[in-house]
Amino acid sequence: SQQGEEDPQALSIQEGENATMNCSYKTSINNLQWYRQNSGRGLVHLILIRSNEREKHSGRLRVTLDTSKKSSSLLITASRAADTASYFCATARGDSSYKLIFGSGTRLLVRP
Amino acid sequence: GAGVSQSPSNKVTEKGKDVELRCDPISGHTALYWYRQSLGQGLEFLIYFQGNSAPDKSGLPSDRFSAERTGGSVSTLTIQRTQQEDSAVYLCASSSGAEQFFGPGTRLTVL
Repeated sequence: SQQGEEDPQALSIQEGENATMNCSYKTSINNLQWYRQNSGRGLVHLILIRSNEREKHSGRLRVTLDTSKKSSSLLITASRAADTASYFCATARGDSSYKLIFGSGTRLLVRP
Repeated sequence: GAGVSQSPSNKVTEKGKDVELRCDPISGHTALYWYRQSLGQGLEFLIYFQGNSAPDKSGLPSDRFSAERTGGSVSTLTIQRTQQEDSAVYLCASSSGAEQFFGPGTRLTVL
């Protein structure tokens, strides 16, 4: 079963706008990671946030984590056409922190 | 600085045949993972290797699926007596920490 569920399933925005994707999960976690997948290719790691962290930044990316609500959000600011991809959250549980459980992803389309 | 490589990139087979998928992890990475991704879905964990420890096979969907990792490096995922529902992209990843590095995947089509 899926641990993480992203919403929205699909998002279409204009270049320059911000994109926000949300992820909810069900059990306690050790860390939560966001990955990007371009069409037909492997996944690329974007950012990792640990269970004792609330917010993390990396370039145009901002990730928040609310363990009380079991949710995370990924914000991409000033989006570019090259940001068009599918974005997945993945959770690592405390008892087997190596095993990532992926959500079904958000498909982001950035229109030029 | 080669990344994770997988072969073949595409495999078309007939129902009932066996297939082998190969993964070459990043040199020095002790952990290796196999995932399966069905069309439009997230990744489904299959199996995990860590050094010389016994692999975690808890994600393998049936006993038709098996995997080996030889010499702590290259891994082979074998699917016996393939079924149409096995059609998916099979992704391999390796890591030396929490971040996983993915290969481009093998797209398996079972006719």
